[in-house]
Amino acid sequence: AAGVIQSPRHLIKEKRETATLKCYPIPRHDTVYWYQQGPGQDPQFLISFYEKMQSDKGSIPDRFSAQQFSDYHSELNMSSLELGDSALYFCASSLLVSSYEQYFGPGTRLTVT
Amino acid sequence: AQSVSQHNHHVILSEAASLELGCNYSYGGTVNLFWYVQYPGQHLQLLLKYFSGDPLVKGIKGFEAEFIKSKFSFNLRKPSVQWSDTAEYFCAVKGGGNKLTFGTGTQLKVEL
Repeated sequence: AAGVIQSPRHLIKEKRETATLKCYPIPRHDTVYWYQQGPGQDPQFLISFYEKMQSDKGSIPDRFSAQQFSDYHSELNMSSLELGDSALYFCASSLLVSSYEQYFGPGTRLTVT
Repeated sequence: AQSVSQHNHHVILSEAASLELGCNYSYGGTVNLFWYVQYPGQHLQLLLKYFSGDPLVKGIKGFEAEFIKSKFSFNLRKPSVQWSDTAEYFCAVKGGGNKLTFGTGTQLKVEL
């Protein structure tokens, strides 16, 4: 079965650079969630989208922005990167905003040097 | 706001030992509860979930969990662990809204 696809899988950036992470949900899933997992920490919810509209917002820094496109894929844009942004960024998808089950992608490991 | 507390941060067991990982949540309304497993270097995989009905839920790989509403708990159990169960286990709650709130995780190491 098709799973959530994230690209790139690994990304190395320098401080103050920008990064764009992409997420392709499971086909027919219309809701996308972004989570950040720092080293040795639990995943923290950043933001979610349903039908291209932001549906919920968590602890996402103002330097970050995200959007969902007409094909339901989503991009997380990160600017003015800081060392503390180094983390594993997970995308999850579900069918319908009221769905109870989220399917996670493999994550993008971002390293800021 | 919802929160999740996992009591054991690191657990070491021998193969065939029984496992119980504690999870308590804080939320005043109806919740959905989940256990996810993260194998080394891999993404989160759903082990089991509770929405409603029978408070004893069975998941994949022989895991089960019991929802005790009066104790705000959702403990994960497995009668006999295997070396391949070595992983990190996260309890998560979905209350208001659609986001998942995760606990801090329990690192399980199963020794041969």
